[in-house]
Amino acid sequence: DAGITQSPRYKITETGRQVTLMCHQTWSHSYMFWYRQDLGHGLRLIYYSAAADITDKGEVPDGYVVSRSKTENFPLTLESATRSQTSVYFCASSRGTEAFFGQGTRLTVV
Amino acid sequence: TQLLEQSPQFLSIQEGENLTVYCNSSSVFSSLQWYRQEPGEGPVLLVTVVTGGEVKKLKRLTFQFGDARKDSSLHITAAQPGDTGLYLCAGGTGGSYIPTFGRGTSLIVHP
Repeated sequence: DAGITQSPRYKITETGRQVTLMCHQTWSHSYMFWYRQDLGHGLRLIYYSAAADITDKGEVPDGYVVSRSKTENFPLTLESATRSQTSVYFCASSRGTEAFFGQGTRLTVV
Repeated sequence: TQLLEQSPQFLSIQEGENLTVYCNSSSVFSSLQWYRQEPGEGPVLLVTVVTGGEVKKLKRLTFQFGDARKDSSLHITAAQPGDTGLYLCAGGTGGSYIPTFGRGTSLIVHP
């Protein structure tokens, strides 16, 4: 189906482990985004990408790495997970001034 | 730094009541969006406003963009339980749309 999909939906990992969250879109939108959503903070931008091989930091990039070798994929990697990275992560792509979001990945770091 | 301040943060009302949610900023936005998010889902766009003073209506929802393009409001008439959700405003300030979100207003409408 067309749209934006994230995987996994739920993930539990241990402190210090590397974990990668996947994001795939079928529209070929140029812009893609990663946000984290926490109570009291709303949606905060981690990284975004304007096109394949072009990425830039958002508001809270520390501890995260992104890549975009293909237009349709935008994985987010936590190099060494910390408890403060426990959150719900949303991937999005945009067309004009409309952003389309995935269903989110709930990540728990224990 | 949160560029967009939303108020109130929480709202619990009875079915049939009217309500207004506000989104304020000290920055000028080229466009402003309102999204609605249900539990376990990603936000979904409701409306985009672009012109200062613009008013848009979506059934019982009325959206207004301030004349100076720094603020916006969402008014819901005769709220229904199906309106329950998190309402988020978002804006872009440059030529590229990199949306910044407010913290949201959590609305509960009781039957």
